[in-house]
Amino acid sequence: QQQVKQSPQSLIVQKGGISIINCAYENTAFDYFPWYQQFPGKGPALLIAIRPDVSEKKEGRFTISFNKSAKQFSLHIMDSQPGDSATYFCAASAYGSGNTGKLIFGQGTTLQVKP
Amino acid sequence: DTAVSQTPKYLVTQMGNDKSIKCEQNLGHDTMYWYKQDSKKFLKIMFSYNNKELIINETVPNRFSPKSPDKAHLNLHINSLELGDSAVYFCASSRQLGNYGYTFGSGTRLTVV
Repeated sequence: QQQVKQSPQSLIVQKGGISIINCAYENTAFDYFPWYQQFPGKGPALLIAIRPDVSEKKEGRFTISFNKSAKQFSLHIMDSQPGDSATYFCAASAYGSGNTGKLIFGQGTTLQVKP
Repeated sequence: DTAVSQTPKYLVTQMGNDKSIKCEQNLGHDTMYWYKQDSKKFLKIMFSYNNKELIINETVPNRFSPKSPDKAHLNLHINSLELGDSAVYFCASSRQLGNYGYTFGSGTRLTVV
């Protein structure tokens, strides 16, 4: 129940296209859903995050769509660029009522944007 | 100025040795973490400290011992290193305990030979 399942494992997109990465969770106590971007040799960096009181959050070319009833959320990267090539992780956490707020990560998606 | 800095960046050592990884954050955050990233890039939490108090201690062999001398530092000491300990270890911090974004260090790649 603590798992976050992420798909696809890898993704190849042409420059200018839309990249879509999906995540699903079981624990209904999760109330914070961030996405992280990791370049080779670097630590993950927070990209965008959403809380379950909204269904969508947009920051520049990055959008999170959240479906509370389906327990799913996804990252959309519009106008994908070669510089977006990285590994993307979804994550979830719960805080309060005995939950510590620790982040549970998905398995990661390696995105390659072809010029 | 690096927000979360880890040393060393690379660590190659023999089985059975004892080693330490140091982490410091200059963000004024209250909470720090150690995560392990395996060869398949899966990130798993190991420990969390909040204001020097141990909050999370996942199912980690007791050969791993964290130490937090103050809220800006969280070190990881590993005894009797095994081949399976080879991984990238990330330190992270967050403003406080709860649902906040983490700032990660650049990682320490540990290779046990």
